[in-house]
Order: sequence, then structure tokens, then C-alpha cells
Amino acid sequence: SQQGEEDPQALSIQEGENATMNCSYKTSINNLQWYRQNSGRGLVHLILIRSNEREKHSGRLRVTLDTSKKSSSLLITASRAADTASYFCATDEGNNDMRFGAGTRLTVKP
Amino acid sequence: DGGITQSPKYLFRKEGQNVTLSCEQNLNHDAMYWYRQDPGQGLRLIYYSQIVNDFQKGDIAEGYSVSREKKESFPLTVTSAQKNPTAFYLCASSAGQIFYNEQFFGPGTRLTVL
Repeated sequence: SQQGEEDPQALSIQEGENATMNCSYKTSINNLQWYRQNSGRGLVHLILIRSNEREKHSGRLRVTLDTSKKSSSLLITASRAADTASYFCATDEGNNDMRFGAGTRLTVKP
Repeated sequence: DGGITQSPKYLFRKEGQNVTLSCEQNLNHDAMYWYRQDPGQGLRLIYYSQIVNDFQKGDIAEGYSVSREKKESFPLTVTSAQKNPTAFYLCASSAGQIFYNEQFFGPGTRLTVL
């Protein structure tokens, strides 16, 4: 069964716009991670945020975590066509499992 | 170059056959993982291993087996008992404690049952 659920399932924007994806989960977690996957490829790690952190940045990426709402968001600023990919959140529940959501498919139009 | 490799990239299997997917890493990571991904879905955990000669079942271990004889290698066998094996298989590794740090993924193996 899945823990994280991404929203929206698909997002289409123009180059230069910002893209925001959300992830909700059901139980308490140790950490939440965001990954990116280009079609037919392996996943690439973007950001890991621990349960005692609220916000992290990496280049054009900004991740927030609200443990009271059991949700996280990934913001990609000034998007580029190369950002087109699927984005997944994954949660470590502390019970020796890691749960991935079904992903948000982002399309950035040039 | 450091990294994690999987082979083969594509694999075709006849019904009733066992097949083994290779996963090798030279990142000196203790933890290794196998995931399965179906079209339009997220990843589901099959097996994971924290150290050599030790591994644990994940969410969907039925019909699969693994071994961890070397730190660098974590092969996955898809047995004939797996009823619906056609999928994209991803191997990953991470430093330190299992699930605690970022995972590095291989390029994947796409298995098709004929």
C-alpha cells in the first residue's frame, strides 16, 4: 500500500513558471524524500527533509514539511523544459519500510 | 566512477522460468534495496538488506528471492511463483542505517514475461 500521495497527478506549465507539487501521508514519519524520474530511467534524489525540519532549499528547489497536517510540498522555481519528469515523494515510517506515492507528472512547455 | 549498475537493461522470460537481475554498487554503501514499479505507479519495496548475509522482506516479497554474499552485490531472482512479474525493477543503495539517508538508484531492468 502507498503512504505518500502526490497532488496533482499531472501538471503542465510554461517554461519560466513555478511548479508546486504536494504530498500527503497518513502516519508519523522519520523523514520525507523527493525524487525525480525521467521516463524509463532510475530515480534521482532531490531533497531529504527530516521530521524536525520545516523547510529545505537546493538550487531552484524548495521543500516544506508540515507534520501537523502530514503534508509536504515541492516547489520548482523558474522551470525549464529539462524539468519535465515524474516527481515522487517517499516516506520513512520507521517500521522498516519506505513508501512511495504514485507521483506527479510534470510537463514544462518551451 | 562511483555508482550503481543493473543488468540487463531488458529481460524477457518465458512463463515458468526463474530469472536473476543483477545489481552492483561501488559506493561502499551498507544498505541495498529492490523495488518494483508498474506503469503509472510509484515504487513498491520487494527486499532490503542492511549488511552482508542479512536481508528482510518488504511489502511484496512473495515470488522473489535475494542474496547478499558481498557488500557490493544484491541480486534479485524472480521465481516462477511470481504471478505477474512483468514490471520495471529498480535497485538502490544508501549509506548508513537502512532508510535513513538518500537512496541512489540504478538505471533499472525492464522484465517482460512472454
